[in-house]
Amino acid sequence: SQTIHQWPATLVQPVGSPLSLECTVEGTSNPNLYWYRQAAGRGLQLLFYSVGIGQISSEVPQNLSASRPQDRQFILSSKKLLLSDSGFYLCAWSVGTLYEQYFGPGTRLTVT
Amino acid sequence: ILNVEQSPQSLHVQEGDSTNFTCSFPSSNFYALHWYRWETAKSPEALFVMTLNGDEKKKGRISATLNTKEGYSYLYIKGSQPEDSATYLCAHSDSSYKLIFGSGTRLLVRP
Repeated sequence: SQTIHQWPATLVQPVGSPLSLECTVEGTSNPNLYWYRQAAGRGLQLLFYSVGIGQISSEVPQNLSASRPQDRQFILSSKKLLLSDSGFYLCAWSVGTLYEQYFGPGTRLTVT
Repeated sequence: ILNVEQSPQSLHVQEGDSTNFTCSFPSSNFYALHWYRWETAKSPEALFVMTLNGDEKKKGRISATLNTKEGYSYLYIKGSQPEDSATYLCAHSDSSYKLIFGSGTRLLVRP
């Protein structure tokens, strides 16, 4: 069966510090991968998606970036965090647009 | 409609009541409409994916309908139970690989 892992579960970082959140999927090949963020009081916002290794599409211009170094690994990064980067970050995978997305457990990021 | 809109924003019902929510989405270049349930302290969980106009799907006491021509979908819960309390999200996709989510309907079922 397929599983999706995200870490860390919670993170408190000072403004200006770097960020690296990792997501890995097991039990499937060539999944579509997604990073979402839910800011306080807001809905789920798509940040990045990837349909293959090295292929990243950005939805929102910001100081975050994503990379997909391996087929089932998706990394969200920042060189310098802003206060506005605080939120709940979810990674998800799917086999295609017509199929449901499966979400990881999420990372609660607080930038202080 | 340019974005995915959900109503109501929140809903409080008594145990046993039936309820429904609305999701409005762009009707042009439609590909799929997704419904998810997001319980507190958990990850969103897929309920339905619908692609055809007139689609109706059912899972237990929960069902959904789809009208792609006018750009709306309804989610129904029959005989609400406290464990149905959650945020219900709908998401729309066109021919790209991404989903655009609505802001959700937060349901609270009182015992």
